[in-house]
Amino acid sequence: NAGVTQTPKFQVLKTGQSMTLQCAQDMNHEYMSWYRQDPGMGLRLIHYSVGAGITDQGEVPNGYNVSRSTTEDFPLRLLSAAPSQTSVYFCASSPGDRVYEQYFGPGTRLTVT
Amino acid sequence: AQKVTQAQTEISVVEKEDVTLDCVYETRDTTYYLFWYKQPPSGELVFLIRRNSFDEQNEISGRYSWNFQKSTSSFNFTITASQVVDSAVYFCALSEEALISSGSARQLTFGSGTQLTVLP
Repeated sequence: NAGVTQTPKFQVLKTGQSMTLQCAQDMNHEYMSWYRQDPGMGLRLIHYSVGAGITDQGEVPNGYNVSRSTTEDFPLRLLSAAPSQTSVYFCASSPGDRVYEQYFGPGTRLTVT
Repeated sequence: AQKVTQAQTEISVVEKEDVTLDCVYETRDTTYYLFWYKQPPSGELVFLIRRNSFDEQNEISGRYSWNFQKSTSSFNFTITASQVVDSAVYFCALSEEALISSGSARQLTFGSGTQLTVLP
């Protein structure tokens, strides 16, 4: 199993550009989530999904969109990047009956200039 | 609302010293889970331990030990005989049930992390 994979590893965007951060897992986990990590603030939940076709907002959802068309993939879209979205983004997944057992991806470091 | 506080922003110790990282949490749930994660300079998140709210037994794993006390809402982490490789940011996290638009789900709340530097 590859576990949770994220692409790209690094990305630089200009303000106003859009892009999609990819996240995939091959463990057939129902629960997937996106976090952002900022200095001194720990990880904060952006969006999450409890299964294909079901998504919901976390603590800091503004400026981000998600969709979950398959169990494996949970992409995070930035519609119009802003410097405030410069951060490290982590994707995580967990089994539906053991949501406390989270597996994290390696992270994507995004810089918006 | 759940909350996790790691009051120690940075700690610096000399190799072989013992060090304790503090974690205090707030929750209204009776069933919840507590975690510690390590984030080395390479950036990935490494799971260290999970504890459920019904298990207050302290745990030891090699040089690592955890002290869970519900009475003080604390879940402290001690590294004995620290090593340079222990240098990392350590996060405490809390998972509890949360109501969402589609029902309920467990959400993970992280503390702000403690940067541990172990000097040779």
